[in-house]
Amino acid sequence: DIQMTQSPSTLSASVGDRVTITCRASQSISSWLAWYQQKPGKAPKILIYKASSLESGVPSRFSGSGSGTEFTLTISSLQPDDFATYYCQQYNSYSLTFGGGTKVEIK
Amino acid sequence: QVQLQESGPGLVKPSQTLSLTCTVSGGSITSGSYSWSWIRQPAGKGLELIGRMYTSGSTNYNPSLKSRVTMSVDTSKNQFSLKLSSVTAADTAVYYCARGRIYTAAAGPAFDYWGPGTLVIVSS
Repeated sequence: DIQMTQSPSTLSASVGDRVTITCRASQSISSWLAWYQQKPGKAPKILIYKASSLESGVPSRFSGSGSGTEFTLTISSLQPDDFATYYCQQYNSYSLTFGGGTKVEIK
Repeated sequence: QVQLQESGPGLVKPSQTLSLTCTVSGGSITSGSYSWSWIRQPAGKGLELIGRMYTSGSTNYNPSLKSRVTMSVDTSKNQFSLKLSSVTAADTAVYYCARGRIYTAAAGPAFDYWGPGTLVIVSS
């Protein structure tokens, strides 16, 4: 299975900060990577697919980049609604896998 | 707007079979290039894909769960189902059903619609 490693596991930030989360794959996954946001007690919500494509309805402050084994999710100006846990997911291989998550907390 | 809703018992005894159903509304389960999946999340932990299936009947299960998992689809009811046998406390989790969008035959799906989740506790 392809392993997905996210860093950091927890991030403390303030409203207005630029935030970057990294996801590394144990082998190349081309651009087959998605990012999700999950709030407590809720299902995950897709933000980004194919590494850098913004899902319809998702604010433009979210962006994704990368290919191969290293990917980033960037929030250009953190808003109060963005405090949540973020997961990456590779869908290159037959066996799909998620990263361990990054919790974005209020500083 | 597509909506998914999980249903099934919230409490299952150890060694028994967990059974859940996902009802899809707002669109036909047979239309478009989609797969239909079950994903679970133990309390305070990350997401684990259980398996996915296509309305053709083909399935793909997580290797770590494969021996205990069966997924099926009922196109007449616009539903798909999960059975997980021989459950233990380690199977206690929130279970989500999700639609997978297929971008190309060369890759798997990303999940664009999710149910709200249902908590299943395994306990005697």
